Amino acid sequence: GEDVEQSLFLSVREGDSSVINCTYTDSSSTYLYWYKQEPGAGLQLLTYIFSNMDMKQDQRLTVLLNKKDKHLSLRIADTQTGDSAIYFCAESIPGTYKYIFGTGTRLKVLA
Amino acid sequence: EAQVTQNPRYLITVTGKKLTVTCSQNMNHEYMSWYRQDPGLGLRQIYYSMNVEVTDKGDVPEGYKVSRKEKRNFPLILESPSPNQTSLYFCASWSGQGSDGYTFGSGTRLTVV
Repeated sequence: GEDVEQSLFLSVREGDSSVINCTYTDSSSTYLYWYKQEPGAGLQLLTYIFSNMDMKQDQRLTVLLNKKDKHLSLRIADTQTGDSAIYFCAESIPGTYKYIFGTGTRLKVLA
Repeated sequence: EAQVTQNPRYLITVTGKKLTVTCSQNMNHEYMSWYRQDPGLGLRQIYYSMNVEVTDKGDVPEGYKVSRKEKRNFPLILESPSPNQTSLYFCASWSGQGSDGYTFGSGTRLTVV
């Protein structure tokens, strides 16, 4: 079945690295995404990774994909208070226009 | 500015009173979708549309209707709202390119009493 799981909370100190994890079940997914939701706002696309890639880096963000274990992670280097938000992973379902979203991980950055 | 616009941002209504949440996008996207966000459940898809006059059910369509008479607009209709439809609703649109992802509106917080 289609299911995307994330831990609900993560707390880190400012300047440390944050790692947010996600597991998914549909091995045929072609694109996987990370979205950020700030309080009172909609979801903003942070980054994506194509299924034939293992890693993608974009400034402070590093995405790792382990297809064998169906595991996706988002690493935020030098985490800042402005990174406090809810982070959602999502997978696209091939042949449909459907995205399956995880439950979201609430990241709290302590000054 | 490329955006998805939802209205209203906040709505309190009574059980059974029909309401419509509007959604409009200015990016000429073919694909549009409605999601609801509930604590601990993430985002669940209500309905989606692949083009004008083409819509299909998502995971939680019961109690909702949609229409797509124009490419830019995709309203969500609750014919007879009930308290279990109290939620945060998001409209989103997509170009169809995998690398783009969905673009989301700012959300509509609906309370049904």
